[in-house]
Amino acid sequence: DAKTTQPNSMESNEEEPVHLPCNHSTISGTDYIHWYRQLPSQGPEYVIHGLTSNVNNRMASLAIAEDRKSSTLILHRATLRDAAVYYCIPISNFGNEKLTFGTGTRLTIIP
Amino acid sequence: DAMVIQNPRYQVTQFGKPVTLSCSQTLNHNVMYWYQQKSSQAPKLLFHYYDKDFNNEADTPDNFQSRRPNTSFCFLDIRSPGLGDAAMYLCATSRDLKYNEQFFGPGTRLTVL
Repeated sequence: DAKTTQPNSMESNEEEPVHLPCNHSTISGTDYIHWYRQLPSQGPEYVIHGLTSNVNNRMASLAIAEDRKSSTLILHRATLRDAAVYYCIPISNFGNEKLTFGTGTRLTIIP
Repeated sequence: DAMVIQNPRYQVTQFGKPVTLSCSQTLNHNVMYWYQQKSSQAPKLLFHYYDKDFNNEADTPDNFQSRRPNTSFCFLDIRSPGLGDAAMYLCATSRDLKYNEQFFGPGTRLTVL
């Protein structure tokens, strides 16, 4: 499994953009980069995933470096509800893959 | 609207007394997972079922067992809970094993007295 490095914690002001970095320098060429988040007292929830190109959905954007050794999850306008632990997880696209959660980044939103 | 349901949300048991946690899903997904999450730690996969095929993680203690009587339900049995088994237990589902989004339930918080 590719190892990931994320900041332990980050803070952001409400209604401002947030950039959550993740280093995955040992990622395989066929690993997708998945992001999940876990709100307080809830199970994790899927946020977004991508392989090479930048990806957008209703929750966030994912910017993937050209060499794929790092990626950045972008929340365009943080709300209090975005306070959570964010996990970056590389997953191979060759079957029987499981989520291996690292330590993640605890995001605090300041009102 | 509930897709992955876990009951109960809070469970208290005594040291050594068997306990069963339940999970049900309305998504008709093939795969069901059980994770253990201890305080201030990340979730850790215990095992999963792909349909009726059971797959245990190598480091999951024998004290933990699972049953999946049908597509919708999956149970986590802890045969003799120890104090170290106090944790949040999360159930998740996915349509298939191959890089599919996993849907998590709200978890059951287990206290061992």
